[in-house]
Amino acid sequence: DIVMTQSPDSLDVSLGERATIHCKTSQSVSPGSYSRRHLAWYQQRPKQPPKLLIYWASTRVSGVPDRFSGSGSGTDFTLTISSLQAEDVAVYYCQQYYTTPLTFGGGTKVEIK
Amino acid sequence: QLQLQESGPGLLKPSQTLSLTCTVSGSSIRSSSYYWGWIRQPPGKGLEWIGAVYYSGSTYDNPSLKSRVTVSVDTSKNQFSLEVISVTAADTGVYYCVRLYHDSAGYYWFDSWGQGTLVTVSS
Repeated sequence: DIVMTQSPDSLDVSLGERATIHCKTSQSVSPGSYSRRHLAWYQQRPKQPPKLLIYWASTRVSGVPDRFSGSGSGTDFTLTISSLQAEDVAVYYCQQYYTTPLTFGGGTKVEIK
Repeated sequence: QLQLQESGPGLLKPSQTLSLTCTVSGSSIRSSSYYWGWIRQPPGKGLEWIGAVYYSGSTYDNPSLKSRVTVSVDTSKNQFSLEVISVTAADTGVYYCVRLYHDSAGYYWFDSWGQGTLVTVSS
């Protein structure tokens, strides 16, 4: 199985400031073509189910604000919230879909400082 | 608009069988682009993919559950189901039904989620 390691476990960020979340995979999830980076990001607000934010490592789902961006390749990926808003308080998870079983990172909790 | 709704018992005793059903509305379960599956989340913890089923009946189960899992589909009711046998306290958590984008090259992301249902295993 591909092990997903997220850091940090939690993050306190002031409103309007940048939040950066890291996801490291135990093996590459983007061999060959740079466009085929098999990684997704999800947001889980309190008491809500997760919601897909980004797939192919950097493609935002329709309707997701452009303050959310994804980057990275190989085994190292990043989710950036460029200007944190109150509604962004949530736990964020990365997920690889390069191989089965599909696996998730342990989550990063983002709170307001 | 796609909606997924879980239903089933919320309290089980150890060694019993967990049975959940997900009713799909707003979309046909016969879509060729999707599998339909289950993810669980133990209290205060992360996400684990349990398994998924295609409308044809083809399935994929996460090997970590050691063959205790059956995922099945009923296209006539636009529903799919989960069974987990011989449950223990470690099976306690919120169970989400999900839609999984899929094509011939593989499985991808979970693009729709139900609200989740809490299942507690306790004697």
